[in-house]
Order: sequence, then structure tokens, then C-alpha cells
Amino acid sequence: DADVTQTPRNRITKTGKRIMLECSQTKGHDRMYWYRQDPGLGLRLIYYSFDVKDINKGEISDGYSVSRQAQAKFSLSLESAIPNQTALYFCATSDPKGYANYGYTFGSGTRLTVV
Amino acid sequence: QKEVEQDPGPLSVPEGAIVSLNCTYSNSAFQYFMWYRQYSRKGPELLMYTYSSGNKEDGRFTAQVDKSSKYISLFIRDSQPSDSATYLCALSGGSEKLVFGKGTKLTVNP
Repeated sequence: DADVTQTPRNRITKTGKRIMLECSQTKGHDRMYWYRQDPGLGLRLIYYSFDVKDINKGEISDGYSVSRQAQAKFSLSLESAIPNQTALYFCATSDPKGYANYGYTFGSGTRLTVV
Repeated sequence: QKEVEQDPGPLSVPEGAIVSLNCTYSNSAFQYFMWYRQYSRKGPELLMYTYSSGNKEDGRFTAQVDKSSKYISLFIRDSQPSDSATYLCALSGGSEKLVFGKGTKLTVNP
């Protein structure tokens, strides 16, 4: 099994629908992140969590919300999806003690299309 | 000025060529410098990590940091078609939030 698992891998949804993207990890890391990746814009941080009780907004949090259900699970929700939220979404984890050597571990991504 | 600038390419080279990928940055507080490789339809994976200035070599890959010029590089020797991917630089000042470059797409042609 992958260290960081994202579900679903692909999703097409309609404008106005609520959608949840899920992330689970087996790394035992406290820190988890949600990014979106768009052509020409690179990776942009949506939300991050340094532990179960610590949730922080990233640079583009508007229109998104998150839930940290457990150390291993971090979900991203789009309350009312809009077409410009069409993107590739990545979950990542890191270890505060080892990050400088090992960096982030990313999932394989969720390709979301809002029509 | 953006915190991290990276030429998006695309860069196309013949097999066996030496590849040079670069990023410039503006924040002198950055101390940790990383390179990630991202294959199509996959998440980025850590390729190289360097702390402060200097060089680090791992097989065909060399990461170089010049803090005085705020310039980091990744060199790939004897490039292979399997090196075809997008390469992202990532920098941190120690808060553990990485700042990513936009990535350079590399194609190595057989």
C-alpha cells in the first residue's frame, strides 16, 4: 500500500455540488497538507495541519474547508464546487524531526473536474 | 518579485546530455533546498536535499546552492529517457512550510 493514499483518483462533478477528497497516510507523520496544482501556476497550498487540533489556512483557502479526523486522515471539501476549482489536488505529509532530510511525502493526486 | 522563480521550460535534450535546471529566490531566510521530481499523473517525490550552501552529489544528480547569489541548480549527467519528468525546486526557512517553484518540464529523447 502507498504511504499516502488519496481517494478518489479522478472525479467529475457539477457546479454547485459538495465534494470531499480524502487522504490517509501510514507514515505516522503529524503534519499534513493539501495542495492544488494548475498548469503554469505550480503547487499552491490550500490548508495545512500540524496536528489533529491544529488547522491552518494556506494561500488559497477560499471555497475550501478541511477536517482532520485522526492523525492519519485529512479530508478536503469543496462546499459548492465551481469550474475554476478544476485542478489536480495533492495531499502531503511531513515529519517535523526528519523533514529536512526527507521532505514531504505526496499522494498520487486527485484529478477533479467541475463542469 | 515572487519568492521562487523557476523557468517552466519545456526543456528537450538528447539522451546522454548534461541537464541544468535552476531556480532563483528572493528570501535570504531560506536554508533548506530541495528538488522534487514529478512524473506524469504522479505526485512529486523528493530527489535531492541540501542544507545551506554547497554541493551534494547522488549518482548522476548534483544539487548546488549559492546563497550569495540566491541561486540553486540541479545537474543531471548522462541523462536518460527515464529522467523525463517535471522538476520542482522547493525551499524552506525552517518553518517546514515549503515554497515550491512552478516546475520545469524535461524531456530526454532516445
